[in-house]
Amino acid sequence: DAGVTQSPTHLIKTRGQQVTLRCSPKSGHDTVSWYQQALGQGPQFIFQYYEEEERQRGNFPDRFSGHQFPNYSSELNVNALLLGDSALYLCASSLEGNSGNTIYFGEGSWLTVV
Amino acid sequence: GNSVTQMEGPVTLSEEAFLTINCTYTATGYPSLFWYVQYPGEGLQLLLKATKADDKGSNKGFEATYRKETTSFHLEKGSVQVSDSAVYFCALREYGNKLVFGAGTILRVKS
Repeated sequence: DAGVTQSPTHLIKTRGQQVTLRCSPKSGHDTVSWYQQALGQGPQFIFQYYEEEERQRGNFPDRFSGHQFPNYSSELNVNALLLGDSALYLCASSLEGNSGNTIYFGEGSWLTVV
Repeated sequence: GNSVTQMEGPVTLSEEAFLTINCTYTATGYPSLFWYVQYPGEGLQLLLKATKADDKGSNKGFEATYRKETTSFHLEKGSVQVSDSAVYFCALREYGNKLVFGAGTILRVKS
């Protein structure tokens, strides 16, 4: 059983460009959340998708957007990249409706903005 | 809002030493609590969890007890190994499976 998979693993973008990161949740999981982890800090919640809709959102600007597909996979899009967007982006998956379940994380996508 | 505070690192220990990493939280109600570990260059792995007061989570020799009186969830291990060197994150779960993390504590174990 594959866990949470993310792509790409590493990427370098230039300021002002746009980036798309992808996530496939653990088999059977229907909820996908995205987190940003800046160097030396804890992960910060960006948003969460369930039933193809954004259900919760953290304190991130509208440049950050996402999508969830019918197969539960998800994309994170960041427009007009800033140097400060350089971070590890983590995808987490879980099963809705079960407060005792485990939230699983992928290995992350390392984004460097130059 | 809810928050998690961890002791600052880095924590540097010799192999076989006793480990404690302090974690306290501020939250409405009694959220589930977690410790995640991040090895160099990797994502987050769940280390242990506790879902209600007085629960003790344990895994790989690590333990943490959910203390509602002191709103704490300190991580302990009786004898650390070099392979335990990593960053440890304390977290609480809010409604809807959203996690709130502490800033992380770097652990370095010397042989």
